[in-house]
Amino acid sequence: LAKTTQPISMDSYEGQEVNITCSHNNIATNDYITWYQQFPSQGPRFIIQGYKTKVTNEVASLFIPADRKSSTLSLPRVSLSDTAVYYCLVGDIRNTGFQKLVFGTGTRLLVSP
Amino acid sequence: ETGVTQTPRHLVMGMTNKKSLKCEQHLGHNAMYWYKQSAKKPLELMFVYSLEERVENNSVPSRFSPECPNSSHLFLHLHTLQPEDSALYLCASSQFQTGEYEQYFGPGTRLTVT
Repeated sequence: LAKTTQPISMDSYEGQEVNITCSHNNIATNDYITWYQQFPSQGPRFIIQGYKTKVTNEVASLFIPADRKSSTLSLPRVSLSDTAVYYCLVGDIRNTGFQKLVFGTGTRLLVSP
Repeated sequence: ETGVTQTPRHLVMGMTNKKSLKCEQHLGHNAMYWYKQSAKKPLELMFVYSLEERVENNSVPSRFSPECPNSSHLFLHLHTLQPEDSALYLCASSQFQTGEYEQYFGPGTRLTVT
């Protein structure tokens, strides 16, 4: 199983950069790393996805080292509205066996003024 | 608005009732999913329909029965549920053929079993 481990919670202040790390020691060759954001009583929302090195979009960056056993989601200049739970997911859409689609416990990010 | 809708948004049912949850996706995707999210637990994947074929999860009790009549619609039929089945049930869809993995989630149905 591509089990993931994340910090349970993190605190930050508005305007700061936040880095959330996810460990996935037994990631498989074909697995992609995907991060989601979830607000209370809503479904998760896709943030970013990558396979290796660095990926950047308009809301976040994703850093993946060469061994791919961990990944770091970087949120630049967070605001109060970034307070949410962030999930790291490791899997391969082409193999939809249940063992490949594993959400972790998530990281609860609290952004304060 | 993610392009995935779920109805009802809230449902209260007794243990002897039969009800169904409905999910519809307007994204042209060919894979759909049911997840269960209980308080203080990770999302649990229940069922996957890929190209309208079901991938079973043997650990899901038979009181949950999925149905996928076409690539845009997904149902979860519920009967004789237990109080511990109370949770947020989330539907998601994705495009199967790509190697990347991006799911679009609906808002969920908050289910309470009394």
